[in-house]
Amino acid sequence: AQSVTQLGSHVSVSEGALVLLRCNYSSSVPPYLFWYVQYPNQGLQLLLKYTTGATLVKGINGFEAEFKKSETSFHLTKPSAHMSDAAEYFCAVSVGGSNYKLTFGKGTLLTVNP
Amino acid sequence: DTGVSQDPRHKITKRGQNVTFRCDPISEHNRLYWYRQTLGQGPEFLTYFQNEAQLEKSRLLSDRFSAERPKGSFSTLEIQRTEQGDSAMYLCASSSTGFGNQPQHFGDGTRLSIL
Repeated sequence: AQSVTQLGSHVSVSEGALVLLRCNYSSSVPPYLFWYVQYPNQGLQLLLKYTTGATLVKGINGFEAEFKKSETSFHLTKPSAHMSDAAEYFCAVSVGGSNYKLTFGKGTLLTVNP
Repeated sequence: DTGVSQDPRHKITKRGQNVTFRCDPISEHNRLYWYRQTLGQGPEFLTYFQNEAQLEKSRLLSDRFSAERPKGSFSTLEIQRTEQGDSAMYLCASSSTGFGNQPQHFGDGTRLSIL
């Protein structure tokens, strides 16, 4: 079975500072990895995904993530935080042969201070 | 692409009542998923449909829960004899069946509150 661990349930940064949200996964087969963002009382919006190929993945709103197989990590970064980035972020994993259902981490709440 | 639509957005009911939620996926998306999200947690998988066939159910889906997807279009999730522990956000997602793992698109969810 797959699993995801998100280190830090709450991350606080200043506007303009680097954003780093950590995600480690466990999977016995090659994983597909995703980052989703959730604003209050809304569903999840896909930020970016890793399937195969290039390990550095660029997403929407200036976010990117790097797949590191040796570290079983898929950390999310953004060079400069904006107030509108404040939200809950979820890392998720799925694998083929499991109907591609998503297994999510517990989420990281990002707050951005002016 | 009008997005995944869920109805109602909020449902408040008394313990023991039955409730039904509806999900309209993105048109032509063959795959449909239901997840449950409780406060402070990530979504957890409940069940999966490919077209009209329900191919997988989580152990979280007790016998009080039933889901259908008639004709492979919209889906309904029914909870019978609701309990306090059923209070959660119920999320629906859909994806296409293209090559590899196609991304899932989520609706805004139905928030269920049990009094």
